[in-house]
Amino acid sequence: GNSVTQMEGPVTLSEEAFLTINCTYTATGYPSLFWYVQYPGEGLQLLLKATKADDKGSNKGFEATYRKETTSFHLEKGSVQVSDSAVYFCALSLTAGNKLTFGGGTRVLVKP
Amino acid sequence: DGGITQSPKYLFRKEGQNVTLSCEQNLNHDAMYWYRQDPGQGLRLIYYSQIVNDFQKGDIAEGYSVSREKKESFPLTVTSAQKNPTAFYLCASSIGDHTYEQYFGPGTRLTVT
Repeated sequence: GNSVTQMEGPVTLSEEAFLTINCTYTATGYPSLFWYVQYPGEGLQLLLKATKADDKGSNKGFEATYRKETTSFHLEKGSVQVSDSAVYFCALSLTAGNKLTFGGGTRVLVKP
Repeated sequence: DGGITQSPKYLFRKEGQNVTLSCEQNLNHDAMYWYRQDPGQGLRLIYYSQIVNDFQKGDIAEGYSVSREKKESFPLTVTSAQKNPTAFYLCASSIGDHTYEQYFGPGTRLTVT
C-alpha cells in the first residue's frame, strides 16, 4: 500500500538556523506530494505541493523537490523564525478519490 | 470569505451517546473528507465523499457514519460503537482529482468520558 515516512521530532533549532525535514514515500503509481503545517489547536494549512517528478514546490521560504529516483520530498528552509514553530506533515495523494496519506508529523520548535 | 467551518470547536459527551460533528464548506468543492488525529500522530481517513448522496469508507470507518445530502455539508456521527472516540476531528474538501490540495477546517476536539 501507500505510505509516508517522516523523520521523528521534535526538532529544536535556533532562530535563523537551516531546517530540513526528511520525507520518503512508497506508492504504486505517480502520486502528488504535499507539505502541510499545523499550528497548535488548529487545522492543517497547505504549505506547498508538487505534482510530478522534479517539480519544486515553494512558499514562505520553504522548498521541497519531488525526487522520484529516491522517492523523497524533503522540506527545507534556509533561515527559520520563531513563528515557524509548528507540526509539519508530509502527505501523498494518488487515487481517484484524492485520499491523502499522511506521515506521522514532525514537531519543530524554534527558539529565539 | 470562502472556507470550511466546523462546529463546535470543543465537544464533551458521556460514553454511550452518539454525537454529530458539523462540517460546512462554501468553496463549491465536490469532494469532502473526515480525518481523525490522535496526539502525536498523523491523520487517518474515516470517510470521504466525491459527490452528493455518495460516500466511501476510509481506513478507520468502524463506529462512524456520515451523510452527504447537500454539496456544502458533510456531517460525521460518532456512534457509541466507536471504542476510542476521544480525538481531534478534521474535515477537509477538495476541488477534484489527486493533483489538487485539500483544504482543512479548524477541527473539533471531542472528549468522551
